[in-house]
Amino acid sequence: ETGVTQSPTHLIKTRGQQVTLRCSSQSGHNTVSWYQQALGQGPQFIFQYYREEENGRGNFPPRFSGLQFPNYSSELNVNALELDDSALYLCASSLDIRGGEQYFGPGTRLTVT
Amino acid sequence: AQSVTQLDSQVPVFEEAPVELRCNYSSSVSVYLFWYVQYPNQGLQLLLKYLSGSTLVKGINGFEAEFNKSQTSFHLRKPSVHISDTAEYFCAVSETQGGSEKLVFGKGTKLTVNP
Repeated sequence: ETGVTQSPTHLIKTRGQQVTLRCSSQSGHNTVSWYQQALGQGPQFIFQYYREEENGRGNFPPRFSGLQFPNYSSELNVNALELDDSALYLCASSLDIRGGEQYFGPGTRLTVT
Repeated sequence: AQSVTQLDSQVPVFEEAPVELRCNYSSSVSVYLFWYVQYPNQGLQLLLKYLSGSTLVKGINGFEAEFNKSQTSFHLRKPSVHISDTAEYFCAVSETQGGSEKLVFGKGTKLTVNP
């Protein structure tokens, strides 16, 4: 059974640029959630996708957007990068929307200069 | 909205000593509770979870936690820690938002086990 994978591992971007982060869910999982973890903080919920539809969103601006594909893999896109977007971005997959354990990937470390 | 408070940002202990990491959450309604561990430069790994039933929950690596509804607490314990337990520990509560369920995390407790 393959776990949750994310790419790339690290990324350096300049303020104002756009970035795409990728996530492959654990086999059989139809729900993907994205979290942002700033340095020294706990992860914060960005949004969740269930069967290719956005199913819930945290307090993040519209320049944070996502996609989920038919194979349940997912992308997180961030436009007009700001310095405060520097963080570890975590993807988590689960078997269902409610009550299920979320399995986390290793994360993508984004640095915005 | 739910919130989670981890009362200690750092906990240093000696090897083989017991440890308790404290967690309080805000809601009095039925919740799901989780403890995750994060090793340096890695993602989160689930230690244990409380969904319902027995208030004492046993997890991996010898950890356990006790759900206390009246005190809205979910403290994590281990009777004897190892050097390899050095990591950051996050308490989380589930929150239903519309049709989705998200995890609300505390700020974390950095456990350092010294020889």
